[in-house]
Amino acid sequence: GAGVSQSPRYKVAKRGQDVALRCDPISGHVSLFWYQQALGQGPEFLTYFQNEAQLDKSGLPSDRFFAERPEGSVSTLKIQRTQQEDSAVYLCASSWDRYSTEAFFGQGTRLTVV
Amino acid sequence: AQSVTQPDIHITVSEGASLELRCNYSYGATPYLFWYVQSPGQGLQLLLKYFSGDTLVQGIKGFEAEFKRSQSSFNLRKPSVHWSDAAEYFCAVGDGTDKLIFGTGTRLQVFP
Repeated sequence: GAGVSQSPRYKVAKRGQDVALRCDPISGHVSLFWYQQALGQGPEFLTYFQNEAQLDKSGLPSDRFFAERPEGSVSTLKIQRTQQEDSAVYLCASSWDRYSTEAFFGQGTRLTVV
Repeated sequence: AQSVTQPDIHITVSEGASLELRCNYSYGATPYLFWYVQSPGQGLQLLLKYFSGDTLVQGIKGFEAEFKRSQSSFNLRKPSVHWSDAAEYFCAVGDGTDKLIFGTGTRLQVFP
């Protein structure tokens, strides 16, 4: 596709519900990143994939957060048992190389936990 | 650990005026430096980046930034602001591994 596509754009979840956020990176991009952007803050790194391998998950805030990219293309960020503090915009980015030297960002998924 | 500080939370300028957004970073070696812009409901768009070489970097939409090692700064400038420049601006630093460290952003408001 022309850019990074994320779905859904908006998600409202009841506390305790599981959610899955999808990211379609730019075709051919080997690197994929997930960031969390809380209201009024800058994006914070969650995790990084190179092809299907998850090479860095140091930013995942708890074991309720899980990400996968099984075929090295589409990625899913899953949050189990959502809590109010999970409310944020989740941004996905992809790039040709592993160094995020030119990462292209999607529009994000705004998650609201009520 | 790397960090980025954007001291100005909110800046207001008149259309046609010049603009400078401040960014200070903390990093031991020569960092990779970026400026991104985020319009409401949109993702981040890369304005410009610095890796090495000429310390004055030109970007899209008429923006430029200057890397000053002695001041640990990478300020973004534009000589004449347009109303369409109103947005949130983020400075980021990368260390050549996989992640970017972002500042908290500066919201730019432009008055006609």
